[in-house]
Amino acid sequence: GQQLNQSPQSMFIQEGEDVSMNCTSSSIFNTWLWYKQDPGEGPVLLIALYKAGELTSNGRLTAQFGITRKDSFLNISASIPSDVGIYFCAGRQAAGNKLTFGGGTRVLVKP
Amino acid sequence: DSGVTQTPKHLITATGQRVTLRCSPRSGDLSVYWYQQSLDQGLQFLIQYYNGEERAKGNILERFSAQQFPDLHSELNLSSLELGDSALYFCASSPGTSGGLQETQYFGPGTRLLVL
Repeated sequence: GQQLNQSPQSMFIQEGEDVSMNCTSSSIFNTWLWYKQDPGEGPVLLIALYKAGELTSNGRLTAQFGITRKDSFLNISASIPSDVGIYFCAGRQAAGNKLTFGGGTRVLVKP
Repeated sequence: DSGVTQTPKHLITATGQRVTLRCSPRSGDLSVYWYQQSLDQGLQFLIQYYNGEERAKGNILERFSAQQFPDLHSELNLSSLELGDSALYFCASSPGTSGGLQETQYFGPGTRLLVL
């Protein structure tokens, strides 16, 4: 089936650092979404992108919909401890509302 | 709190058994989606219902089935369980005012299934 390749798989952050993660696919998607999942919880939508080239911010989060419609990235600026969690990208194609998820980026705090 | 509820929160059962997972969507939402999340992996779409009817199907095994009832709650039935079925099962809902197209999905807290 369709695959979304998300990288990095995990990363360590120090408070105040900026972090980036991205998602690529061999297929075109009409919508890109970024979710965060905390332990024991379901994913929560952070940002939704609907147009190629679109750059959208939500507080310290910024995400972009790649111009080829096959990729997206998420940036977190000035990270704080509560940014720890698993971030998932998800894509939606033209028909229907089915989401295809990436494998997730696990964000951890540097010891 | 997304407004989507799922029960039970945890379920432990044995291979070969059958279980039913329940989901109540957000008030007024017509579309319900089921996803499976295996250990440290992304979510895999299983199936979508819209106002009681199956709308889309993903990588759902034949041993699994689902339905959406007139009160819009949904159940996911997993039968002849295997060790590999151990996973988190999430339900999501969306308003469905546009037939479930291009709508934000709100996820429940999940049911953690462990098959021994």
